Amino acid sequence: QVQLQESGPGLVKPSETLSLTCTVSGGSISSYYWSWIRQPPGKGLEWIGYISYSGTTNYNPSLESRVTISVDTSKNQFYLNLSSVTAADTAVYYCARQGGYQSPFQHWGQGTLVIVSS
Amino acid sequence: QSALTQPASVSGSPGQSITISCTGTNSDLDTYSYVSWYQQHPGKAPKLMIYDVSRRPSGVSNRFSGSKSGNTASLTISGLQAEDESDYYCSSCTTNSTWVFGGGTKLTVL
Repeated sequence: QVQLQESGPGLVKPSETLSLTCTVSGGSISSYYWSWIRQPPGKGLEWIGYISYSGTTNYNPSLESRVTISVDTSKNQFYLNLSSVTAADTAVYYCARQGGYQSPFQHWGQGTLVIVSS
Repeated sequence: QSALTQPASVSGSPGQSITISCTGTNSDLDTYSYVSWYQQHPGKAPKLMIYDVSRRPSGVSNRFSGSKSGNTASLTISGLQAEDESDYYCSSCTTNSTWVFGGGTKLTVL
């Protein structure tokens, strides 16, 4: 059974770059699409973007200017970089797996809370 | 892209049926049948309950069903149980191949 695990700093200063890693175990990162989704405390889910195993990306238009998602198939990991963060970027960040870009988010990580504060 | 529209809350008694609606636009629900529903208990990751409008992943109870008409999708839970009390989110692929979620609906089992 595939498992996803987010990791990265839990505290980021305003204007800096938020960087997270999602490690995939129990299956190969190849042949799937991989998304980042976030949830501010007490609020709803927001899709950030996805990357395919071959490196094709697509981002939420509202975040596109600040987001980069990348993948390292040799490490079975993919990554999120979100630049110029503000308090509004404080959220639980989830990584998730899709079968294809139009497939649902079938497998999720447990999520990691990132707080933006000085 | 705009979030899909869901009611903030719904409620029902054990054994009853409830329906949660999810309204989109011609950029998402009205064009595609790639709508899915997620259940999220407090402090937990979302769980896929319905995908492609009405398909259930393995292991999901057949008390959960989905449908769509035009730009509105619906999740119906029949035979309500206490364990169904949770937040529910709809999601749809868009014409730009991005994804959008609904604002979420809190289900209370009375």
